[in-house]
Amino acid sequence: DAGVIQSPRHEVTEMGQEVTLRCKPISGHNSLFWYRQTMMRGLELLIYFNNNVPIDDSGMPEDRFSAKMPNASFSTLKIQPSEPRDSAVYFCASREQTYNEQFFGPGTRLTVL
Amino acid sequence: EDQVTQSPEALRLQEGESSSLNCSYTVSGLRGLFWYRQDPGKGPEFLFTLYSAGEEKEKERLKATLTKKESFLHITAPKPEDSATYLCAVHDTGGGNKLTFGTGTQLKVEL
Repeated sequence: DAGVIQSPRHEVTEMGQEVTLRCKPISGHNSLFWYRQTMMRGLELLIYFNNNVPIDDSGMPEDRFSAKMPNASFSTLKIQPSEPRDSAVYFCASREQTYNEQFFGPGTRLTVL
Repeated sequence: EDQVTQSPEALRLQEGESSSLNCSYTVSGLRGLFWYRQDPGKGPEFLFTLYSAGEEKEKERLKATLTKKESFLHITAPKPEDSATYLCAVHDTGGGNKLTFGTGTQLKVEL
């Protein structure tokens, strides 16, 4: 199993630009989670999906952030427009319905200049 | 609101020097408590799930224990390769599928 796949691994962009982060969950997992990790705030849940449906987006910081899951094998997290304070590592995780454990991808390190 | 507090923030050990990491939590109802290991530049790696007070789980030099208010991750005779940040997370019965993470303990094991 390839595990959770995220792309790109690193993204450097300028303030105001649109950023799209991508995630492929583990095959057979039906829950997908987007997290953001910073030194100051640690690991924070942004949004999660069950069976491709957004369940809880209360962690999305503001309207500049949006997430979609068009099918069971793909999700995107979009930031438009990006700001320097969005600089962080963004993780995607997936979970199989039967178990509680979440499995994380390698993350995308985003730098907004 | 769920709260997870980990201590110490950082810990430096000599190789072979056993110690424990603490995770204190507050939830309305515990569905599960999780330990993860995170290496620099990588995503958290799942270690253990504990479900009820008194439960213990072991993996190599690591043993996780659980009470009604806290969990300990005991590290016996650590090696330099055990150096990492260890994260604790809780799953609340009223929280859907959400996990609430602590800020972690950064462990450094020196020769």
